[in-house]
Amino acid sequence: GQNIDQPTEMTATEGAIVQINCTYQTSGFNGLFWYQQHAGEAPTFLSYNVLDGLEEKGRFSSFLSRSKGYSYLLLKELQMKDSASYLCAVRDGTGRRALTFGSGTRLQVQP
Amino acid sequence: GAVVSQHPSWVICKSGTSVKIECRSLDFQATTMFWYRQFPKQSLMLMATSNEGSKATYEQGVEKDKFLINHASLTLSTLTVTSAHPEDSSFYICSARAEGGQANSPLHFGNGTRLTVT
Repeated sequence: GQNIDQPTEMTATEGAIVQINCTYQTSGFNGLFWYQQHAGEAPTFLSYNVLDGLEEKGRFSSFLSRSKGYSYLLLKELQMKDSASYLCAVRDGTGRRALTFGSGTRLQVQP
Repeated sequence: GAVVSQHPSWVICKSGTSVKIECRSLDFQATTMFWYRQFPKQSLMLMATSNEGSKATYEQGVEKDKFLINHASLTLSTLTVTSAHPEDSSFYICSARAEGGQANSPLHFGNGTRLTVT
């Protein structure tokens, strides 16, 4: 089976840095994605990792360790608009191109 | 960038009626589209994989006779919720990936359809 775990909720302060962790157990592995979802809206793509290491994209960075089944999303210089749910999703190694999503982490950015 | 259009954005229907949701890839072709469902404060759950020109593949626990999927062209997939009941009220989201895209090309999502069954 597939299992993806994320913290349910996090709170951080505007201007700070926050790290959202994700652990996964899947049948094979073919990439990990992070999406942002505001309430009532569709998810938007943030980042992709398939090899170990850090991928940086402006204020957002994502890290992957395949041996540990672990990833994190790092958000720097937090802004109020970053308040949203952050979804970790994995593409397994079965050839199926759908993504399996974690339950999401609701981030609340406070002034 | 790749755009997926979903219609309608929201719909309210009476129990026992059917509702059709359309998903279109506007600037790319997609032989495969994915239908997800999301209940409040929960994550996206894959319902089915829509395959152009062939039968959809349904996830375990999803009734294929209740959630009819048609993928008649490379840019359009439809999901029909038949004989809707209040427990079918949810946020339905379609997604697609551009054909021939690289492995790291993400799924692009439609804006979702909020279905409320009264």
